This record gives sequence, C-alpha cells and structure tokens, in this order.
Amino acid sequence: SQTIHQWPATLVQPVGSPLSLECTVEGTSNPNLYWYRQAAGRGLQLLFYSVGIGQISSEVPQNLSASRPQDRQFILSSKKLLLSDSGFYLCAWSADLSRAQETQYFGPGTRLLVL
Amino acid sequence: TQLLEQSPQFLSIQEGENLTVYCNSSSVFSSLQWYRQEPGEGPVLLVTVVTGGEVKKLKRLTFQFGDARKDSSLHITAAQTGDTGLYLCAGKDYGGSQGNLIFGKGTKLSVKP
Repeated sequence: SQTIHQWPATLVQPVGSPLSLECTVEGTSNPNLYWYRQAAGRGLQLLFYSVGIGQISSEVPQNLSASRPQDRQFILSSKKLLLSDSGFYLCAWSADLSRAQETQYFGPGTRLLVL
Repeated sequence: TQLLEQSPQFLSIQEGENLTVYCNSSSVFSSLQWYRQEPGEGPVLLVTVVTGGEVKKLKRLTFQFGDARKDSSLHITAAQTGDTGLYLCAGKDYGGSQGNLIFGKGTKLSVKP
C-alpha cells in the first residue's frame, strides 16, 4: 500500500532563516505531488504541484519554492522566512490526473511557526 | 475563479443528533471529494462522488452529489463524539488540464457527549 511521509512534524524558525520541508511517497511510481498550506484549521491553499521529476508548477507567487529531485520526493524551501509563512503545510499525492475520480491523499503535515 | 462554499462554518451538536453540511458552487465539477481532518493531522478521504445525483453511504454518513454536479451534501445520522473534526469538500476542475482540486474552507463539527 502507499504511504506518504512528511518531516519534520513541527518546526519553529526565526524570521529570515531558511526552510526545507520534505515529503516522500512510498508504494507508487510517478505520482503527482502537491504542497498545500492551511491557515488556522481552515481551507487548503495549493502552493505547488509536480507531475514529474524536475517539473514544478507554482500556483501562488511568494517567497517559497519547491523542487522534485527524485520521483517520490518533494521538497518545499525558502531562503528567508517571513512571519506570514507560519501555518500547517500539507503534502499530497495522486495517481492519475486524467481520471474524473482521481483522488489526492495527504501526509500528516508539518506545523511551521515563524517567530 | 472556481469557489466552493461550505455551510455552516461551525456546528456544535449533542451526540445522537442528525446533521447536514453543504458544499455549493456556481461551477460544474467532474468529481467531488469529502475529507475529514482532525487537529494537527492531514485530511483523510471519506468519499469521492463522480456522477450527478449519485448517493454514497459510509456507515452513518450519506453523501450526495447534485444533479448538475455543482453542489454536494453530507448527512450524518446519530452523530457520535468520534465524528468531531473539520469536514472539507474539494471539487476537481471540470475539463481542466490539471488535476488540481478546489477546496472549500470547511465545516468545523463538534459533537458533545
């Protein structure tokens, strides 16, 4: 079966420091991968998605970036964190873009607090 | 821009009561998914509905997709404290080239003993 991992689970960082959040998926090949941010237990905002190695699409302009160095690895980064970057970051994967019933499966999330 | 409006935003009920939450849009979706999320955890998929008018049941939960595929509802019968959580609906862009989901802001349900 497929599993998705995120780490760290919790992170407290000072303003201006760099960021690296990692997401890995097991049990599937060539997944579509997504990074979301969720503010205050509410709806999810799509940040980035990737349909393959090295292929990244950005949905929201910001000081964050994403990379996909391996098929099942997705990394969210920042060179200098802002206070507004605080939130709950979720990684998700899906198997097939084209099917109407294509489903996204979420990781456990990383809670980021920027002070 | 496609939007999904969920209502109510907050719902507090006693154990044993029934409830319905709604997910509405002016846009057509090729499919719609419901997730439940507990504090500090990722959303967990409950169901995916694809066909207009489709009804799916998951134990005490009944999901319906509107005939026009613009709206959906989730009905819980005899709510239990374990049903507490944030319920999110997400629609897949109809005819879109990407598989991106549009998420509602959620309904926060609290079931009290």
